[in-house]
Amino acid sequence: EADIYQTPRYLVIGTGKKITLECSQTMGHDKMYWYQQDPGMELHLIHYSYGVNSTEKGDLSSESTVSRIRTEHFPLTLESARPSHTSQYLCASSESRGLVLGTEAFFGQGTRLTVV
Amino acid sequence: AQSVAQPEDQVNVAEGNPLTVKCTYSVSGNPYLFWYVQYPNRGLQFLLKYITGDNLVKGSYGFEAEFNKSQTSFHLKKPSALVSDSALYFCAVGGNYGGSQGNLIFGKGTKLSVKP
Repeated sequence: EADIYQTPRYLVIGTGKKITLECSQTMGHDKMYWYQQDPGMELHLIHYSYGVNSTEKGDLSSESTVSRIRTEHFPLTLESARPSHTSQYLCASSESRGLVLGTEAFFGQGTRLTVV
Repeated sequence: AQSVAQPEDQVNVAEGNPLTVKCTYSVSGNPYLFWYVQYPNRGLQFLLKYITGDNLVKGSYGFEAEFNKSQTSFHLKKPSALVSDSALYFCAVGGNYGGSQGNLIFGKGTKLSVKP
């Protein structure tokens, strides 16, 4: 198992609530990612970071925001949750520095979010 | 833009039979190709990757994949399937193509079901 942790594993929350999904890794990786996985299995990159103070938007537009204040921590925040945000969120990290290629990403176990 | 396709939503195999999960890719340069497996309620686990060199890549749990440049394919194979191999399998391409910034782009996933 990779040393990347997501909390909570499962979350059921009401519409309009603010939530933060936590992701931490102990591998010292510079690059981190958030993927959204819909019920049909497909993975969509929503945010990534090259390192501290770096955040970038991914291929899929998302109302969530991220921050990278520490290398090991990459939390994702939804200011006002809606039922359309119901999904599985997967955090990952990799050893890539800048555009170094060919390194695999390590994934956390995911957070399954349900907004009611 | 780079892309990866998994043409089969589901593959059904009897235990002990060989299995193949198909993947084709489209990139403008040399591809970096990956296979991941996802068990229920878990994150993705890295299986193997092709960067360069031998076209036959061996990975975890007895899996291997064959890179075929002329057919732009990277099919995942195992000589003898186990019931415990039942899971979701994702092919991914990574690299600095078309502004991808070295991020992994995943296929839609293939559900492998191995029956006793």
